[in-house]
Amino acid sequence: SYELTQPPSVSVSPGQTARITCSGDALPRKYAYWYQQKAGQAPVLVIYEDSKRPSGIPERFSGSSSGTMATLTISGAQVEDEGDYYCYSTDSSNNYWVFGGGTKLTVL
Amino acid sequence: EVQLVESGGGLVQPGGSLRLSCAGSGFTFSSYWMTWVRQAPGKGLEWVANIKEDGSEKYYADSVKGRFTVSRDNAENSLFLQMNSLTAEDTSIYYCARERPPRYWGQGTLVTVSS
Repeated sequence: SYELTQPPSVSVSPGQTARITCSGDALPRKYAYWYQQKAGQAPVLVIYEDSKRPSGIPERFSGSSSGTMATLTISGAQVEDEGDYYCYSTDSSNNYWVFGGGTKLTVL
Repeated sequence: EVQLVESGGGLVQPGGSLRLSCAGSGFTFSSYWMTWVRQAPGKGLEWVANIKEDGSEKYYADSVKGRFTVSRDNAENSLFLQMNSLTAEDTSIYYCARERPPRYWGQGTLVTVSS
């Protein structure tokens, strides 16, 4: 079955740039999506189609993809950005979807 | 405002069944794929199933295929997940979400499988 791989944790100081990666064999051909989940809350879409930002998401959130790796970048990370981040994509069929294992972002 | 409200969660014994519901409002329900996602306690998100706008296509994660059935009633703006042969590994918060991939999420309903 298809898998997406993320680092378990990333830690930065406030104001620094946080980068969270996601690797998967189909990413050269399929979009990556990124979700933020804070404790006790439902996930929130922060990046779609590799690099697009939904309305209401701060400009400090950006996404990119190259080859088999997608990257979520938080420029000038804030304490309120702490949480778990998940990448999400599909296999070559477009019908079976998978989340990465999640990355815990700590900003302190 | 898009709203998704799940219901039907609870405690069930191993081998038992449960039917989850999700009520959608604030959008044209029949125009969107719908998705179920779950999250075991302290674990990551897991895609469970998708269903096409008219219910003609359904796709399942390998972990639930043959045991879970997704369905919808567009006249009632409702999404369902019938879960059979439940095991402890199915213990999770179950979220319904609009679209594929999800853009809007409900708050989830907790399913606990335990004797």
